[in-house]
Amino acid sequence: GAVVSQHPSRVICKSGTSVKIECRSLDFQATTMFWYRQFPKQSLMLMATSNEGSKATYEQGVEKDKFLINHASLTLSTLTVTSAHPEDSSFYICSAKTLYSNQPQHFGDGTRLSIL
Amino acid sequence: AQKVTQAQTEISVVEKEDVTLDCVYETRDTTYYLFWYKQPPSGELVFLIRRNSFDEQNEISGRYSWNFQKSTSSFNFTITASQVVDSAVYFCALRSNDYKLSFGAGTTVTVRA
Repeated sequence: GAVVSQHPSRVICKSGTSVKIECRSLDFQATTMFWYRQFPKQSLMLMATSNEGSKATYEQGVEKDKFLINHASLTLSTLTVTSAHPEDSSFYICSAKTLYSNQPQHFGDGTRLSIL
Repeated sequence: AQKVTQAQTEISVVEKEDVTLDCVYETRDTTYYLFWYKQPPSGELVFLIRRNSFDEQNEISGRYSWNFQKSTSSFNFTITASQVVDSAVYFCALRSNDYKLSFGAGTTVTVRA
């Protein structure tokens, strides 16, 4: 079945560091990928939609200069948290959409980001 | 606007009891998909079931079953004969025509041995 790989699974770093998270579709092409954020004991909130070959679209309230998204190929989208601060500590999870509309989105295993 | 409501915050049961999770949604789309996902403590999202808006047939898959009532905009999910391994947070989600998922707040299920 379709598999999405997300890397790294956990990051702990100092405040001010930029962190890059990768989301790869392993056995299918994903023209669209989605990035979600989940704070502790809360639901998942969509941050942005990543489109291959074009600019990402961000949900209201999400800073595009803070969360840089690059979708350079049909199998890879990256989310870079720039100059991360403790309030950016969260669980980030990506999903990839297949070409078939009736298929569920496939999620990566998520990245737990902790900023000290 | 899309909205998914899971009124139950936490449910605690004893093993072998049935658990029913409620989900109510709002959407203006005439075509949409509804999902249930499980999130164990490790964090990954596990796809459980999917239902499209045209198909109100309720089904059973192993110990899982669901009840989709379009008239009341509800998509309830039942775990029969619960097991300790079922302990997790369960999310109901609604997918709009642009493929964005709107998640409910989640229901934490604890199954005690």
